[in-house]
Amino acid sequence: DSGVTQTPKHLITATGQRVTLRCSPRSGDLSVYWYQQSLDQGLQFLIQYYNGEERAKGNILERFSAQQFPDLHSELNLSSLELGDSALYFCASSVEANYGYTFGSGTRLTVV
Amino acid sequence: AQKITQTQPGMFVQEKEAVTLDCTYDTSDQSYGLFWYKQPSSGEMIFLIYQGSYDEQNATEGRYSLNFQKARKSANLVISASQLGDSAMYFCAMREYTGGFKTIFGAGTRLFVKA
Repeated sequence: DSGVTQTPKHLITATGQRVTLRCSPRSGDLSVYWYQQSLDQGLQFLIQYYNGEERAKGNILERFSAQQFPDLHSELNLSSLELGDSALYFCASSVEANYGYTFGSGTRLTVV
Repeated sequence: AQKITQTQPGMFVQEKEAVTLDCTYDTSDQSYGLFWYKQPSSGEMIFLIYQGSYDEQNATEGRYSLNFQKARKSANLVISASQLGDSAMYFCAMREYTGGFKTIFGAGTRLFVKA
């Protein structure tokens, strides 16, 4: 157990639907990062939050949004889902810049 | 824009031998961080080692060492005394500060350790 909790582990949904992925960072970590891992795109940075504020944005689609709550857990919302959104979505947290991320086990999203 | 290049899609190494996984990066920033992560077949991402751009000595963590050549913009991972459990995907990554920390990953190298 890395200390970063992601739920659910697996999610199967239909095109056009909306889903919410949840992440609880490791205790003490204020930063949360979301990544998408697919076979053709590799690991893509989506977005970073620090203590509730958005700090950095990557290749996040407009159909996707995220937030970090006062208790530091974060949610990634994916809407109008397309087949190409099928991927492994990772959440990671860190305490400082000089430290590596601690990753959660990921949410495997399958859009059918 | 940042770029991380891992030119070896797959590598084979004999158990107990050393192996070097290549990574080159491109950035115009002076301050950045370089990381290596391991992803076993089970799928989790495991942080292995970190090198700061201002660190003068190469980072080491147990059997892992990072061969940092700043002028060449390379950050190769060296795994000594390979073990069967080292078989996995290895990702090189670079972090820049752009108001927040943005880390990008290379395409990865699949390492196979042979008994």
